[in-house]
Amino acid sequence: NAGVTQTPKFRILKIGQSMTLQCAQDMNHNYMYWYRQDPGMGLKLIYYSVGAGITDKGEVPNGYNVSRSTTEDFPLRLELAAPSQTSVYFCASRKTDRREQYFGPGTRLTVT
Amino acid sequence: GENVGLHLPTLSVQEGDNSIINCAYSNSASDYFIWYKQESGKGPQFIIDIRSNMDKRQGQRVTVLLNKTVKHLSLQIAATQPGDSAVYFCAGEETSGSRLTFGEGTQLTVNP
Repeated sequence: NAGVTQTPKFRILKIGQSMTLQCAQDMNHNYMYWYRQDPGMGLKLIYYSVGAGITDKGEVPNGYNVSRSTTEDFPLRLELAAPSQTSVYFCASRKTDRREQYFGPGTRLTVT
Repeated sequence: GENVGLHLPTLSVQEGDNSIINCAYSNSASDYFIWYKQESGKGPQFIIDIRSNMDKRQGQRVTVLLNKTVKHLSLQIAATQPGDSAVYFCAGEETSGSRLTFGEGTQLTVNP
């Protein structure tokens, strides 16, 4: 299994641009999550999904959108990028009956 | 929601010594806690978890202690090695499930 994969690894955006961060998992996990991690800080939950077709907001959803059309994929969309969205973004997934989350390697995003 | 925080931002130990990383939480309704390790440039990696009906749980070289009276948990690493150098996060999950709340992290440095 590849586990949780994220693309791209790095990206630089100009203010006002849009992009989609990709996340995929091949473990047939129903639960998927998007976090952001600012320098020297913990992870903050942006959005999560408990299964295909179901998404819900986390602590810091403003400026982001998600969709979950399949079990495997959980893309995160940034519309009108702002410098405050400069961060490292992590995707994670877990089984329904287990609490342990498996994390991807992250996407480092800079908005200038 | 859960509020999970750490006492110290940094911890420096000598190789071979035991390490103790502390974490406080505020929501007594939380029923599940996890410790994650995050090496530089990587996503968090699961270390060990504990449910609120337990006081102690042991893994390989790691022990988690939970004191519900003072809402405190700790991660003990025995015979700390240079490879243990990383940021360690505690995370708590509310009884309703689905979402973890992460603390700010402690940077552990192991000196040879």
